[in-house]
Amino acid sequence: ETGVTQTPRHLVMGMTNKKSLKCEQHLGHNAMYWYKQSAKKPLELMFVYNFKEQTENNSVPSRFSPECPNSSHLFLHLHTLQPEDSALYLCASSQASGANTDTQYFGPGTRLTVL
Amino acid sequence: QKEVEQNSGPLSVPEGAIASLNCTYSDRGSQSFFWYRQYSGKSPELIMFIYSNGDKEDGRFTAQLNKASQYVSLLIRDSQPSDSATYLCAVNTPENQAGTALIFGKGTTLSVSS
Repeated sequence: ETGVTQTPRHLVMGMTNKKSLKCEQHLGHNAMYWYKQSAKKPLELMFVYNFKEQTENNSVPSRFSPECPNSSHLFLHLHTLQPEDSALYLCASSQASGANTDTQYFGPGTRLTVL
Repeated sequence: QKEVEQNSGPLSVPEGAIASLNCTYSDRGSQSFFWYRQYSGKSPELIMFIYSNGDKEDGRFTAQLNKASQYVSLLIRDSQPSDSATYLCAVNTPENQAGTALIFGKGTTLSVSS
């Protein structure tokens, strides 16, 4: 778990709040990802950054705003969320080698509860 | 809509038995297949990946891939209670090679009884 860290680990927020999730990877990787994991649903890819450039936005509502200032850090800014946004938010990173073996490693996640 | 299907389970096996976890995928262009294990309340951890047809073994784990049938499986030999977890199958999306965008199945819950 120390390769990819996430803070905070738990977050409770009201629908009018603004908060940010932080992810940091210490693996020297070039790609970083945000996923959402809700109960009874598969992991949903939200955003992909390759070499700090956003390469995928999986039809995510604008109340989620990602930021990738460098290859090691990734943020997810949250504002005016809905109760249905309550979930486990997972960050992952990979080498982005372009090879079939490019493997993603996950952080511990942030458990988000929207009241 | 690209999909990855897994039987949600629970799959219950006695200690020492072989657990067989199955996964099918819809996109014929998919090239890489990953198995992750997720304990309750934890994040997914990689078990192994496979990209060539056939079997790939790593310790007690064997991944099997059949691209013609769009089927990938994970066998766990000599199952232990510590193997009790949810196993996630993930498939890459070919149009995004630099930076692997994965599609995950819902996962199969495995319970190994002692």
